[in-house]
Amino acid sequence: QVQLVQSGAEVKKPGASVKVSCKASGYTFNAYYIHWVRQAPGQGLEWMGWINPNSGDTNYAQKFQGRVTVTRDTSINTDYLELSRLTSDDTAVYYCAREQTDYYFDYWGQGALVTVSS
Amino acid sequence: QSVLTQAPSASGTPGQRVTISCSGSSSNIGNNKVHWYQQLPGTAPKLLIYSNNRRPSGVPDRFSGSKSGTSASLAISGLQSEDEADYYCAAWDDSLSGVVFGGGTKLTVL
Repeated sequence: QVQLVQSGAEVKKPGASVKVSCKASGYTFNAYYIHWVRQAPGQGLEWMGWINPNSGDTNYAQKFQGRVTVTRDTSINTDYLELSRLTSDDTAVYYCAREQTDYYFDYWGQGALVTVSS
Repeated sequence: QSVLTQAPSASGTPGQRVTISCSGSSSNIGNNKVHWYQQLPGTAPKLLIYSNNRRPSGVPDRFSGSKSGTSASLAISGLQSEDEADYYCAAWDDSLSGVVFGGGTKLTVL
């Protein structure tokens, strides 16, 4: 069965960076784009970007450009989201999600809580 | 401020039919397909409706979606207590070159 398993919760200080992982199983890793979506406490969903696991090409929301990097390691079927220069506004649950055609997400990771606090 | 507009809340009684609306523009809903996600408290979102009106395997036919112009709707018939959740619409936006979400509608079953 398809699974996206994310790394655990993180606590970071303002100005630091965080790297969240998303390990895929149950399907051909290179065949589907992976997107990253975040959700601040009590707020809605916010799209951050995607990676083509086959080519490594990425596309980021303008809001995060210059601060976000999505990478993949095809040898272990894992994608990574790295966010730098963290502020308290980055406190959120970060989800990875597998894209089907037409930009819908059929499988989601369980989420990784990132807390930014001094 | 979300690109797609949803009412923040909706409610209904068991057995009732409820509709949740999502309004966008020509660059997103008007030119691309709309998808709906259900998020139960403390869990990851779950795909509920894709490509305007298609249901993934396992989603009851009580849930249906539609789209007209730059707006879309999610209808839930035969409302049940387990339908109490947050519902989000989403679509690709050609101008932003990214996925945009609605702000979410919190559905309460009275």
